[in-house]
Amino acid sequence: DAGVIQSPRHEVTEMGQEVTLRCKPISGHNSLFWYRQTMMRGLELLIYFNNNVPIDDSGMPEDRFSAKMPNASFSTLKIQPSEPRDSAVYFCASRKTPEGTEAFFGQGTRLTVV
Amino acid sequence: KNQVEQSPQSLIILEGKNCTLQCNYTVSPFSNLRWYKQDTGRGPVSLTIMTFSENTKSNGRYTATLDADTKQSSLHITASQLSDSASYICVVSAQQAGTALIFGKGTTLSVSS
Repeated sequence: DAGVIQSPRHEVTEMGQEVTLRCKPISGHNSLFWYRQTMMRGLELLIYFNNNVPIDDSGMPEDRFSAKMPNASFSTLKIQPSEPRDSAVYFCASRKTPEGTEAFFGQGTRLTVV
Repeated sequence: KNQVEQSPQSLIILEGKNCTLQCNYTVSPFSNLRWYKQDTGRGPVSLTIMTFSENTKSNGRYTATLDADTKQSSLHITASQLSDSASYICVVSAQQAGTALIFGKGTTLSVSS
């Protein structure tokens, strides 16, 4: 298995532009997580899907952030409009329930908003 | 509030030396605790998992301990190698359906020659 695949690996965009991050979870996994990692705050959960349904989106910073999971093999995280403070590494992870199974992480997308 | 605290924030040791990383948590009800290793520029990878009934678990030179009463865990690295330089993240899972993983901020370990 190729693991969790994220694209792009790096994204540089200007403030105010729309940014879309993509994630393909491991086949057969039914839980998907989006995390943001910064030096100051570490890994923060943004949103969590179970069987394509958003379970907990309390970590989404504000209305500029939105996430979708139209099917079991694809998810997107969109930021519109982007701001410099959104600069971070965004990780997608997936796992197969039940609780306690290992979550496998993608390589991350490094976002820089200038 | 479910929280995971790690210490120290960063650590520098000489190659061949041992070190111990600490993790305190307030997650309830507790399901399990994992230690992840994150190399620079990569996603975290699980090293070991501890459930409520386990006190010690080893994975090569890595030994994790868990005290469920005091809600503390440690990760001991023996005979460190340069490749051990990474961030080590303590992650706790609550025993509730639909609850995501709770991450500590990690300990950055640098092993120098």
